[in-house]
Amino acid sequence: AQSVTQLDSQVPVFEEAPVELRCNYSSSVSVYLFWYVQYPNQGLQLLLKYLSGSTLVKGINGFEAEFNKSQTSFHLRKPSVHISDTAEYFCAVSDQGGKLIFGQGTELSVKP
Amino acid sequence: NAGVTQTPKFQVLKTGQSMTLQCAQDMNHNSMYWYRQDPGMGLRLIYYSASEGTTDKGEVPNGYNVSRLNKREFSLRLESAAPSQTSVYFCASSRAGNYGYTFGSGTRLTVV
Repeated sequence: AQSVTQLDSQVPVFEEAPVELRCNYSSSVSVYLFWYVQYPNQGLQLLLKYLSGSTLVKGINGFEAEFNKSQTSFHLRKPSVHISDTAEYFCAVSDQGGKLIFGQGTELSVKP
Repeated sequence: NAGVTQTPKFQVLKTGQSMTLQCAQDMNHNSMYWYRQDPGMGLRLIYYSASEGTTDKGEVPNGYNVSRLNKREFSLRLESAAPSQTSVYFCASSRAGNYGYTFGSGTRLTVV
C-alpha cells in the first residue's frame, strides 16, 4: 500500500529566508506526486505535480519540488518566502486509479 | 466561476441527527471524491466515484453513505451523526488519470 510521510508538522521561518518542506513516500509501483496548499478556512489548491520527465518540477508562487526516486522523496522548496506563504502544505501520492493519498500536512508559519 | 461547489459551509448537528452534504462540479470531470480533514491526520478518503453510476469505499467509510446522482453531483449522507464525525469535509473532482484534484471550499461540521 502507498503511504506519505511529511517529516515536519510545523515549520517556522522568517520572511525572505529559504524553506524546505520534506515529504517521503512509499510505493512499490510508479507514482505520481503532488503538493497542495491550504490557506486558512479555504480548500486545497494545487501547487505542483510530478507525473514523469524532469525530476525538478516548478509550481505556482515560486515553489519547486524535486523527485528523488532512490530516496523516495519529493521535497518542496522556495528560495525566499513571504508572509503570504503562511499556510498548510500537503504532499500526496496517487495510485494507478487516480486516488490521492495525503500526508499529515506541514504548517508553514512565516514571521516578519 | 468553474469549480466544485459544496453546501452547506457550516453545520451543527445533534448526536443521532441525519444530514446530507451536497457537492456539484461543472468541469465535466469523471471522478469525484469525499475526504474528511482532522488536525494532524491530513485528509482521509471516505468514498469516491470513479465515474457516473459507480461508488466505492475509501479509507474511512463507516457511518457514511454516498450517491452519485449524475455526472455533476456527488452527495455524502450521515444517517446518524456521532461526535466522532465532527470534522471538515471536502469534496473534490478530477479528470480520468492523474491530473490532480480540484477541491471545494469545505463543509465544517460539528456534532454535539
